[in-house]
Order: sequence, then structure tokens, then C-alpha cells
Amino acid sequence: NAGVTQTPKFRVLKTGQSMTLLCAQDMNHEYMYWYRQDPGMGLRLIHYSVGEGTTAKGEVPDGYNVSRLKKQNFLLGLESAAPSQTSVYFCASSYPPGKEQFFGPGTRLTVL
Amino acid sequence: AQTVTQSQPEMSVQEAETVTLSCTYDTSESDYYLFWYKQPPSRQMILVIRQEAYKQQNATENRFSVNFQKAAKSFSLKISDSQLGDAAMYFCAYRSPYSGGGADGLTFGKGTHLIIQP
Repeated sequence: NAGVTQTPKFRVLKTGQSMTLLCAQDMNHEYMYWYRQDPGMGLRLIHYSVGEGTTAKGEVPDGYNVSRLKKQNFLLGLESAAPSQTSVYFCASSYPPGKEQFFGPGTRLTVL
Repeated sequence: AQTVTQSQPEMSVQEAETVTLSCTYDTSESDYYLFWYKQPPSRQMILVIRQEAYKQQNATENRFSVNFQKAAKSFSLKISDSQLGDAAMYFCAYRSPYSGGGADGLTFGKGTHLIIQP
């Protein structure tokens, strides 16, 4: 089992460019999450999904969109990147929701 | 909304000694889940220990144990016989038992950087 994987691991964007981060899990989990981690901060929830075809906003959703077309995949999109979105992005999955969340290795994104 | 506070930005301990990391949280819910995650320099988030609020017994995992004080809303992590591999950022996290409104995600503290001195 690969667990939770994220693509890409690193990316540099210019302000205004768009990109999509891909998260995949092979544990048949219903719940998936996207978090961001900034220096000196814990992780903050961006968006999450409680099942295929569903998405919901978390604590810091502005500037991001997500899609869950397949149960195993959860995509995070930045339509027009801003320097404030420079961060490390983590994907996680869990089932049932009270159990632990399994995290991917993270994606370091820099927006110039 | 729930908040999680880790008041120790950094802690240092000698190898083989015991260290306790503090965590307090604020919630109006009576049932919930609490977690400690470890983040080594590799950046990977690793679950250390999990506690369900309705369970009075403190969770333990080998050298790791918690002191869960529900009335005080305190959830500290004790690491016994500290090892060099324990050096990492440690995050305390809270999860509501409910769904919707972002409750499904984890609320994290800002973390404690643990240094192990040989």
C-alpha cells in the first residue's frame, strides 16, 4: 500500500498562474482533506470531502477550489496564485472520521 | 470554534530522560478526539497517540503516554527514555465528533519543537 501520495512534491509559480495539486489514497477512505502549513503555524484546513462527489469548505478556503470525482483522488486547484499562497500543502484521508488521519508527504509551493 | 494552544514553542531534553509537552484546548463539546502528531525534518506527519474524550483511561503507546485532564481541558504528552529519533515538531490536534461546518477536519496547535541532546 502506498498510503496517501501527493503530486508534485515541489512547485514554483509566478503570481497569477494556475495549478492543480493531486492527492491519491489507496486505503478506500471516505474522508479526504487538504491542509496548509505556514511557518510557526500548525496545519489549517482548506477544504475537505466526506465522499465521492462531495466537497466542503474548511477554515481557509479562499483562493482554492477542490474536486472529488473519484473516491481515491482529491484535487486542490489554485486558479490565480498569489504570494500569500506560498506554503506547504498536505493531503490527508481517514475513515471513519474519528480515527486518525493519514497524511501525504506534502507539497512545497512557492509563489513569486 | 475550537482552539488548541501549545504554550511551549521549544523544549530540550537529554537523551534517555523524560519530557512532557503541554497542550490545552477550548471547546464546548462533551465528546471529541485528541491527537498528538510528530513531524520530523522529513515533513511527514506521523500519529503518535490518540485519545477519545469519553474514555477516562489515559492512552499509552510504548514510550509515549498522555495525561488527559478533561475538566481542565488539558492533554499533555509524556515521552519516556527520550531517543535521538524523537527530535521533531510535535502537534496537538482536536477533532469534533460532529460533521459539517469544517468540524470534520483537525484543529492543530502551533507545535512544540523538541530537541534531544546526546
